[in-house]
Amino acid sequence: QVQLQESGPGLVKPSQTLSLTCTVSGASISSGNYYWSWIRQPAGKGLEWIGRIYTSGNTNYNPSLKSRVIVSMDTSKNQFSLKLSSVTAADTAVYYCARGGYSKSGFDYWGQGTLVTVSS
Amino acid sequence: DVVMTQSPLSLPVTLGQPASISCRSSQSLVHSDGNTYLNWFQQRPGQSPRRLIYKVSNRDSGVPDRFNGSGSGTDFTLKISRVEAEDVGVYYCMQGTHWLGTFGQGTKVEIK
Repeated sequence: QVQLQESGPGLVKPSQTLSLTCTVSGASISSGNYYWSWIRQPAGKGLEWIGRIYTSGNTNYNPSLKSRVIVSMDTSKNQFSLKLSSVTAADTAVYYCARGGYSKSGFDYWGQGTLVTVSS
Repeated sequence: DVVMTQSPLSLPVTLGQPASISCRSSQSLVHSDGNTYLNWFQQRPGQSPRRLIYKVSNRDSGVPDRFNGSGSGTDFTLKISRVEAEDVGVYYCMQGTHWLGTFGQGTKVEIK
């Protein structure tokens, strides 16, 4: 069974960089031809896809966030990570990691989500 | 971008009764490979989203058979044959045919 678990600071100051890690078990992020994605959801709102990384390491980002986002992977730890720079209160949300790439059949496994609040 | 429009946005239902959610896309979702990548997700209160249906009508493992997806082209429907208490939550359609993928706004299902 594939499982994903997000981790990282729950509070980030404005203008700083939000950093989260997703630890994957039950599957290898470096094989199987899968995308691995980050998605976020502000309280009471819908889902916004942030970006993805492929098994090969190739990345794609939501154009609306592209200038501030980096998704990377550490195959030795079977983890992938999100960095979102220059955060504001508008970046406060529950952040999910998921297997899938915001294309074709979407996301078949999700993490439980982690709340990140941007506040001084 | 492809716009996904769900209706209704709020759906009060009686336990044991059927429910239906519509999802319409601004462009045909037939992919060049012949598949139609329209997916449905359920998000129960306080939980992560969960995929229920992929490629219009394929149920994910463990999804009860009271959930059925149908449709073609630009018009799609998720039907729950008999609503149970555990079905309360928000349902999202998502197209994966065109880049950038798109989620619908979500439909909140609640018990009357």
